[in-house]
Amino acid sequence: GAVVSQHPSWVICKSGTSVKIECRSLDFQATTMFWYRQFPKQSLMLMATSNEGSKATYEQGVEKDKFLINHASLTLSTLTVTSAHPEDSSFYICSAEDSRSYEQYFGPGTRLTVT
Amino acid sequence: RKEVEQDPGPFNVPEGATVAFNCTYSNSASQSFFWYRQDCRKEPKLLMSVYSSGNEDGRFTAQLNRASQYISLLIRDSKLSDSATYLCVVNQAGTALIFGKGTTLSVSS
Repeated sequence: GAVVSQHPSWVICKSGTSVKIECRSLDFQATTMFWYRQFPKQSLMLMATSNEGSKATYEQGVEKDKFLINHASLTLSTLTVTSAHPEDSSFYICSAEDSRSYEQYFGPGTRLTVT
Repeated sequence: RKEVEQDPGPFNVPEGATVAFNCTYSNSASQSFFWYRQDCRKEPKLLMSVYSSGNEDGRFTAQLNRASQYISLLIRDSKLSDSATYLCVVNQAGTALIFGKGTTLSVSS
């Protein structure tokens, strides 16, 4: 089946630093990727839709200057959490939409802890 | 009103029990429906798609009622390994998946 990787799988950083999370589709092309965030005991909440070669579309309440998204190729999207704060600690999951089948596949997630 | 609503549970059942989860969605334009399973600290994994005619996959049966905007999942002969959070998910073509909060199932021996 289709595989999506995320790197890193977990990261601990100090408040004020920036963290970059990579999402890669390994065996298919993904024109569209989605970034979700999940707080403990909460559902996955869509943060933004990432489109290859164009600007990301952010959901209401998500600061685009804080969560920078770059989708520079058909297999890679990155999410950078800038000037991270403890309240940004969460489980960040990407999903990639296969450009041919439109099926979506999830990455394994990145657990971010900001101290 | 939330787009996808589920009873959060937890549902605590013994092995071998039959358990049913319900879900309602608010957007009548939703076109695709799924049940995902999420284990603790892991990404969600597709359990099964849900079709209007109802569909079955082994011990799992999913039903969709478009008129009532209601989705269900039935698990028969529960196993210990079925313990997880079950997420009701809807979407429209080309859009992101919309997740319910999930229903937690705990199967005990």
